[in-house]
Amino acid sequence: QVQLQESGPGLVKASETLSLTCTVSGGSIRNYYWNWIRQTPGKGLEWIGYISYSGNTKYDPSLRGRVTISVDTSKDQFSLKMTSVTAADTAVYYCARLRGYYDRGGYWIEDRGPLDYWGQGTLVAVAS
Amino acid sequence: DIQMTQSPSSLSASIGDRVTITCRASQTISSHLHWYQHRPGEAPKLLIFAASTLESDVPSRFSGSGSGTEFTLTITGLRLEDFATYFCQQTYSNPRTFGQGTKLDFK
Repeated sequence: QVQLQESGPGLVKASETLSLTCTVSGGSIRNYYWNWIRQTPGKGLEWIGYISYSGNTKYDPSLRGRVTISVDTSKDQFSLKMTSVTAADTAVYYCARLRGYYDRGGYWIEDRGPLDYWGQGTLVAVAS
Repeated sequence: DIQMTQSPSSLSASIGDRVTITCRASQTISSHLHWYQHRPGEAPKLLIFAASTLESDVPSRFSGSGSGTEFTLTITGLRLEDFATYFCQQTYSNPRTFGQGTKLDFK
């Protein structure tokens, strides 16, 4: 059974850097895409970005270059760094695995698949 | 960005009921639409992917349909464990966006 677990500080000071790590167990980090998502009462669920097992990344453009996602395949971990945080970055942060699938035409959809395993989430508060 | 409008935002129902939740995309997303269930304190769970494919180990009372811009999740024969929040997600384009969620509770 694949499990994901987020870890990192629960409190970050405004203007500093938020750092979280997601540890994957019960399965390999290879051959999947690894995502970060956050949830706030006001905005709901927001996709932050993903990294492939080979290191290709895509981010939400609205985060304006503040975000970096990295992967350490030797430790089966991937990480999120978000710089210059403000109170608006206070949220529950989730990590999740993206799985590819075959569409109705038999084509392999590698990076548009569903998030088939999620962590339980970790609350990060930004203190002003 | 593609906006995902999910309705209703909340829904009251009873054990055994049939309920339908709708997700509308602001532009076509083909079938790149997935549905999740989220219970408080738990990790979200994938129910349906590619609009209509049931994830393994998900009960057959859950079903999904739609393509293009309009999608539905139907639960037939509600059980106690189904009272939770449901949300959709499009993966057609970046940024990936989610519906606002539908909270299903007891009538």
